Amino acid sequence: GNSVTQMEGPVTLSEEAFLTINCTYTATGYPSLFWYVQYPGEGLQLLLKATKADDKGSNKGFEATYRKETTSFHLEKGSVQVSDSAVYFCALPGAAGNKLTFGGGTRVLVKP
Amino acid sequence: GAVVSQHPSRVICKSGTSVKIECRSLDFQATTMFWYRQFPKQSLMLMATSNEGSKATYEQGVEKDKFLINHASLTLSTLTVTSAHPEDSSFYICSATDSIYGYTFGSGTRLTVV
Repeated sequence: GNSVTQMEGPVTLSEEAFLTINCTYTATGYPSLFWYVQYPGEGLQLLLKATKADDKGSNKGFEATYRKETTSFHLEKGSVQVSDSAVYFCALPGAAGNKLTFGGGTRVLVKP
Repeated sequence: GAVVSQHPSRVICKSGTSVKIECRSLDFQATTMFWYRQFPKQSLMLMATSNEGSKATYEQGVEKDKFLINHASLTLSTLTVTSAHPEDSSFYICSATDSIYGYTFGSGTRLTVV
């Protein structure tokens, strides 16, 4: 079935540093790919998505490009802020196309 | 955009009692709703998938008699934790999906069983 692997955290950065969170996937076909963000004590919010190969999703300064050659969807932000401290999840639909399959989550802590 | 309201956000209950968590899609009709459980510092674990008017499909290892799911309408699904015990303490999150908005998550419910 479809699966996703993302780098383990925690990732600790200083404000204005560059952030990369690696995500690779195994899938049948070319499903949509998602990044979700979870702030402390809250549910998940969709951060960005890409629906086909070479698409770039972007939102709030974050970007991720759907790369089928490397089966990757790495999340990047050029200059992080303290408010970006959260847990980030890479996800894709299951083989049946219904339920989402999540990576293990990467906790990011941005220090002033 | 789509909004999913999950209630309550926090609940504390005594061992042996039951707790009901509601999940409502506010401005769209959800074809499918999902219930997840999240342990501290871990990823989401899918518990069950429910479609309106039919029985929920539970993931392997999830006790259907323990975690009762009702999906009575296209905008409401409930999860009832029956005879709760301290090991049921967790963060529960619902998600609703439709063809327009994709997956939308509730804000979660922190359950503490004492």
